[in-house]
This record gives sequence, structure tokens and C-alpha cells, in this order.
Amino acid sequence: GENVEQHPSTLSVQEGDSAVIKCTYSDSASNYFPWYKQELGKRPQLIIDIRSNVGEKKDQRIAVTLNKTAKHFSLHITETQPEDSAVYFCAASGGLTGGGNKLTFGTGTQLKVEL
Amino acid sequence: NAGVTQTPKFQVLKTGQSMTLQCAQDMNHEYMSWYRQDPGMGLRLIHYSVGAGITDQGEVPNGYNVSRSTTEDFPLRLLSAAPSQTSVYFCASSYTGTSGSGQETQYFGPGTRLLVL
Repeated sequence: GENVEQHPSTLSVQEGDSAVIKCTYSDSASNYFPWYKQELGKRPQLIIDIRSNVGEKKDQRIAVTLNKTAKHFSLHITETQPEDSAVYFCAASGGLTGGGNKLTFGTGTQLKVEL
Repeated sequence: NAGVTQTPKFQVLKTGQSMTLQCAQDMNHEYMSWYRQDPGMGLRLIHYSVGAGITDQGEVPNGYNVSRSTTEDFPLRLLSAAPSQTSVYFCASSYTGTSGSGQETQYFGPGTRLLVL
């Protein structure tokens, strides 16, 4: 089945700096790649997603890039703020063994934005 | 809309006890799923359903049963709880639109924290 690897597991940045989280996937047929943010004790919430017909997508300080050839995608957060501190998960779906909506998640990145 | 709701929020069980975690959604989503979240392991899919009467296994289905008698509800049953099932359980739902339609977005419930002693 699909396998999603996520790095780094922890990331500490200074407020105002940029943060980058990277994920790789194994199923070349996967075509939907969402990113979720989870604050402590809360549910995961979608922050941005990208589909395989697009190479980059941006929403204010957040951007995601996708390289289908290399089978990796990345989350970029610019001008980080303390409220960006959370766990971020990448995921992939739509592959040959997953189908449709079945998401496979990475293991998460704990982002800490320090003052 | 209430979105995706889960009950209970927290539960303590003894080994061997059974219980049902409830999940409901009011968005008329066809797809519903259950995940468990353990430290350092992300979210792992337990079971999912693409519509009423249709369920299938995910990555970690052992020890769990599901059924889908209505579009709105997707309960998860633990028949004989084990300490290894101590975890946080999330239910999620979405439409089953075709890829690229924008309907794949999955919405999560608030979670159920389960402790098995």
C-alpha cells in the first residue's frame, strides 16, 4: 500500500523565520495531498491541499509544492508566528491501492516557533 | 451544521470490556472513516465506509468492528478491549467526489480519548 514519510519530526524556528516540512510518497498513482494542522488536544484541521495537476499552491503565508516525478511534496510557512506552533501532518490519497478518499498520513512534525 | 461529532470524549475501560465509540455527521457525506492516533505514529486508518451498507478494512483493523446502517452514523466497536487499544480515536468524513473535484476534503471529529487498563 501507500507509504508516506515525513521529515523532520521536530522543527524549531525563530519567530519570523520560514519553516519547511517535507514528505515523500510511494504510490505514483496518488493524486491528492492535504496538509493538516493539529493543536494540542484538538482535532486535525486542513490548512492547505494540492492535487496532482498542480505544482504549487499558495494561501497567504502557507504554500505547498509538489514534485510528481520525485514523489515528494513540501509545506512552506513564511513569517512564522507563535500561533503556528502545532503538529503538522502530510497525507496522500487516490493511489492504486488506496482509492478515492483513503488517506495515508505521515508521522507528523512538531513545529515550535520561539519568540 | 454540527459537522462531525463523536461521543464520548473520554472513556476508561478495563481489559476485556466492550464499548462502542459513536460518530455522526450532518453533511450528507458518503465517506466516513476511523483513525487512531498514537504518539510518533501519526494517524492510522482502522476502518472506512464509502456509503451505507459498505465498509472495508484499513491499515489496523484487528480488534475493531464497524457497521454503516445510515449515511449519518458510523460507530466503532471494541469487542474485548486490550491495553494496546489505548489511543485517541478520530472519526472523519467527506464526499466521494472524483479526484480533482475539490470534494476530497476530510473533516475530523473532536476525538475520543480511550484508556484501557
